[in-house]
Amino acid sequence: SAVISQKPSRDICQRGTSLTIQCQVDSQVTMMFWYRQQPGQSLTLIATANQGSEATYESGFVIDKFPISRPNLTFSTLTVSNMSPEDSSIYLCSVGGGGDNEQFFGPGTRLTVL
Amino acid sequence: GQQLNQSPQSMFIQEGEDVSMNCTSSSIFNTWLWYKQDPGEGPVLLIALYKAGELTSNGRLTAQFGITRKDSFLNISASIPSDVGIYFCAGRKETSGSRLTFGEGTQLTVNP
Repeated sequence: SAVISQKPSRDICQRGTSLTIQCQVDSQVTMMFWYRQQPGQSLTLIATANQGSEATYESGFVIDKFPISRPNLTFSTLTVSNMSPEDSSIYLCSVGGGGDNEQFFGPGTRLTVL
Repeated sequence: GQQLNQSPQSMFIQEGEDVSMNCTSSSIFNTWLWYKQDPGEGPVLLIALYKAGELTSNGRLTAQFGITRKDSFLNISASIPSDVGIYFCAGRKETSGSRLTFGEGTQLTVNP
């Protein structure tokens, strides 16, 4: 499986600010995804990051709040904009594998908004 | 929202005991995945299942893809302390491309 890294691993931010999270993969992948995991909860898909086109957002998530970039097949960023304490979560990127039937996850970015 | 019902929510067992957890849905899935998440880490894929009725093992872990394609279970035999963590099932529907739906997770505690 691919080796996936995320930066930062954690951050504490003030409300109203924005944070950009980076996801780097050690090999070219077609599918990249961004998830949110709220405290004590399961994973919820935010969007699919498409290379060369706009991300595809799930219901309840919008581009203005969570802009995503996918400049190439090994890298993506997720920005959490105009943060509030409700945005405090773990943000995870994942990549498709096994013919995109499987997904492999990065270590996550733990965000706390004060 | 979540369409996978995972149970139990939590389990407290003694080292050496066997564990079973399952996921059910009203929808049909064509892939079932089981993950384990340790504190402060991302989920790690344990087992992937692709065919109805398929039974797959990975060491002390065994998982099955239900015949109806609406459920899956994971068994852990002879549990050890490092089995502690949160176990998630995830399913992929034929109509949802590569997108996964996750269960709510089972928190496993193993007492030495």
